[in-house]
Amino acid sequence: QVQLVESGGGVVQPGRSLRLSCAASGFTFSSYGMHWVRQAPGKGLEWVAVISYDGSNKYYADSVKGRFTISRDNSKNTLYLQMNSLRAEDTAVYYCAKDLRIAGINDAFDIWGQGTMVTVSS
Amino acid sequence: QSVLTQPPSVSAAPGQKVTISCSGSSSNIGNNYVSWYQQLPGTAPKLLIYDNNKRPSGIPDRFSGSKSGTSATLGITGLQTGDEADYYCGTWDSSLSAPVFGGGTKLTVL
Repeated sequence: QVQLVESGGGVVQPGRSLRLSCAASGFTFSSYGMHWVRQAPGKGLEWVAVISYDGSNKYYADSVKGRFTISRDNSKNTLYLQMNSLRAEDTAVYYCAKDLRIAGINDAFDIWGQGTMVTVSS
Repeated sequence: QSVLTQPPSVSAAPGQKVTISCSGSSSNIGNNYVSWYQQLPGTAPKLLIYDNNKRPSGIPDRFSGSKSGTSATLGITGLQTGDEADYYCGTWDSSLSAPVFGGGTKLTVL
């Protein structure tokens, strides 16, 4: 079945780095834009970044621009989020999500992973 | 502060109907499709409505969506205790070139 599985979360000190992965299955990963969305404890959803189906276009929320990098390996059906210079306010559950339409990046998110928790604390 | 505005909470009795509003502007709701997501406690969000009023396969017709101008509404009829969740609206913001969400609405089925 269509599935997204995140991994790589954990506890990290402020200023350090972490890389999240999202393994996709059950659909043609290389045809869809992919997003990262996060949710701080007790808070709402915050979009983080998107990458186009072929990796040629990437967009970021202002809150992470210059610190986070989204990438993908279509040969491995895997999405990544490299997070550098982490701050306490980056503490959240990070979800990867699939864009609804082929080659789209600005549609609804029709498939979500289960999320991976990132805690930034000294 | 979220770009889209939702009421923090709504409540209704089992079997009743409830609506959740989502207010935006011409740069987002006014010129783009709206989607709605349900997040049950401790779980990932799930797509309920896309393209303003379409339901993905498997979503019961108790859930409906509509849009007028710069506002959108999610309707839920025949409320069940299992509908207790947080509901989020979302859309693309053409000025920000980014997806945006509402702050979420907690539904309580009394």
